[in-house]
This record gives sequence, structure tokens and C-alpha cells, in this order.
Amino acid sequence: GAVVSQHPSWVICKSGTSVKIECRSLDFQATTMFWYRQFPKQSLMLMATSNEGSKATYEQGVEKDKFLINHASLTLSTLTVTSAHPEDSSFYICSASPPGDPYYEQYFGPGTRLTVT
Amino acid sequence: QKEVEQDPGPLSVPEGAIVSLNCTYSNSAFQYFMWYRQYSRKGPELLMYTYSSGNKEDGRFTAQVDKSSKYISLFIRDSQPSDSATYLCAMSATGNQFYFGTGTSLTVIP
Repeated sequence: GAVVSQHPSWVICKSGTSVKIECRSLDFQATTMFWYRQFPKQSLMLMATSNEGSKATYEQGVEKDKFLINHASLTLSTLTVTSAHPEDSSFYICSASPPGDPYYEQYFGPGTRLTVT
Repeated sequence: QKEVEQDPGPLSVPEGAIVSLNCTYSNSAFQYFMWYRQYSRKGPELLMYTYSSGNKEDGRFTAQVDKSSKYISLFIRDSQPSDSATYLCAMSATGNQFYFGTGTSLTVIP
């Protein structure tokens, strides 16, 4: 089956620093990737949709200058949390959709837990 | 009001029991309904997908959609310890933007 990896799985950083999270589709090309955030006991919240080679589409309320998304290749998308603050601490999870597949066929990565101290 | 409501549980059942998981929603435009299963420290994986109303069966799993009541269900027959996971419902009106429930934690006791 389709596999999506994320790196790192867990990261701790100091307030004010930037953190980059990678999302890779290992055995398929992903024209579309999604980034979600999940707070404890809350649902997955879509942050942005990224298409290879074009700018990401951010959901309302998500600061695009703070959460930089780059989808430079068909197998890699990155999320950079810039000038992180403790309130950015959360579980970030990406998913990828193969070309031609409907979006409900998105394959999820294992997630990255970010803690900002 | 949240778009999607799901009882977080936890739900604990003996092996072999029938499990019923449910979600309610408020947006009558939703027509794509999904159930995902998420094991600890793993990403969600698609279990069942239903378009519009009706039932869909796949092995021990049955998904039901009642659009008139804005209510969806996932039934697991002959539950196994390997079914222990968090189950998330998700819905979409267009097939592009998805709204997830908070997930229900299920434990099947041998």
C-alpha cells in the first residue's frame, strides 16, 4: 500500500526558533499533499493544501507567513513553523493523494509532535 | 456548533462483540463520508467510504449514512483485539475539504 513518512516524529524547540517538518510519499507520486494540526482531544484541522510546483492554499485563520509550505517535488512537501511559540505546540500530520485519485484516498503520515518551550 | 461531533469514548468491549461508532453533523451539504482507523503513533488509514446515503459493507465492517438525521455509523462485527484503535469519521461536501471528528478510542478485550 501507499506509504507516507514524516520526519522528525518528535521535536522540541525553543521559542523564537524555526522548525522544518518533512512529508514524503515513499512509493507513489503525490500531486497534492495536505497538512493538518491536531490538538489533544480535538479533531484534525486542515491547515493547507499544497500542489506540486504551486503555492499552497491555506485555510482561513492559518498564517501563511508563519507556516511556510513548500511542495517542491512530487514526493516531498515541507512545513516550516517560523518563530515558533508555545501555542504552536501540537501534533502536525500530513497526507498525500496520488494523481487522479479522489482526495478521500489520501494517505496519512505518522505525524510529528512539536513541543515549543 | 462543530461541523462534526463524535463521542471520544473510550469504548471498551469484549472480543466478539458488535461495536457501534457514531458521528453527527450539521452541514446538510456533506455527501462524502469516510471512516478512518488510527493505531497509536501511526497516521489514519481509510477504512470505509460512502457517497451520499445508504449502507456499505466490507467484511466485518458496515458503514451507514442517514442524511435525513445527519448521522453516520460504523459497525464492527465479531470485534477482535486487533481492532483496538481510534476511529475517526470525516465528511466533505465537495470531496476536497474534509471535516474530521475527534475520534473514538476503542479497546477490544481478549
